[in-house]
Amino acid sequence: QQQVKQSPQSLIVQKGGISIINCAYENTAFDYFPWYQQFPGKGPALLIAIRPDVSEKKEGRFTISFNKSAKQFSLHIMDSQPGDSATYFCAACYQGGSQGNLIFGKGTKLSVKP
Amino acid sequence: ETGVTQSPTHLIKTRGQQVTLRCSSQSGHNTVSWYQQALGQGPQFIFQYYREEENGRGNFPPRFSGLQFPNYSSELNVNALELDDSALYLCASSQSVVNTEAFFGQGTRLTVV
Repeated sequence: QQQVKQSPQSLIVQKGGISIINCAYENTAFDYFPWYQQFPGKGPALLIAIRPDVSEKKEGRFTISFNKSAKQFSLHIMDSQPGDSATYFCAACYQGGSQGNLIFGKGTKLSVKP
Repeated sequence: ETGVTQSPTHLIKTRGQQVTLRCSSQSGHNTVSWYQQALGQGPQFIFQYYREEENGRGNFPPRFSGLQFPNYSSELNVNALELDDSALYLCASSQSVVNTEAFFGQGTRLTVV
């Protein structure tokens, strides 16, 4: 059973456009939702994260929107640049326990065309 | 402040062999988690180490084992390698078990032939 579902699998956006990646989760106990960016041959890098007590968080060109009732969250990349071309992973975690492992979506490969 | 470093970066092993992967955690981080990332998939949690003890495990068989040392560095050992073990193995460190601001290393690409 996949606990975090991510879509789309791949995304092509023109330079300057908005990239939107969506994720849905099942476990209502999750209380931490990060997004990771991964370039080929590299490990995932933490991009931005949100907790369910806020509906939106913005850091530079990256914004997370969070809908607790729908159990969905999304990443918006404004003014997308070719350097943003990478694979993006959403993840979820329950921090209330004694061990907080991340559960990842399957990833979205973003290509930003110049 | 040093980041998370893993060694080796690439490794080729034969089915049935054993392998040891190493990870140095980021300075100030006492918790290390290991993840397996198959090609085209998201990372999957293997286990977590805190204070030199295993602190949680994902759906992986006992032939996947680990260690954490007093300096918080860690090892992942896999026995009786299978072809499906071919993957990128990622180590992530964090400041505590409940602080999931996890920072990943570059990974070890393991190929089992």
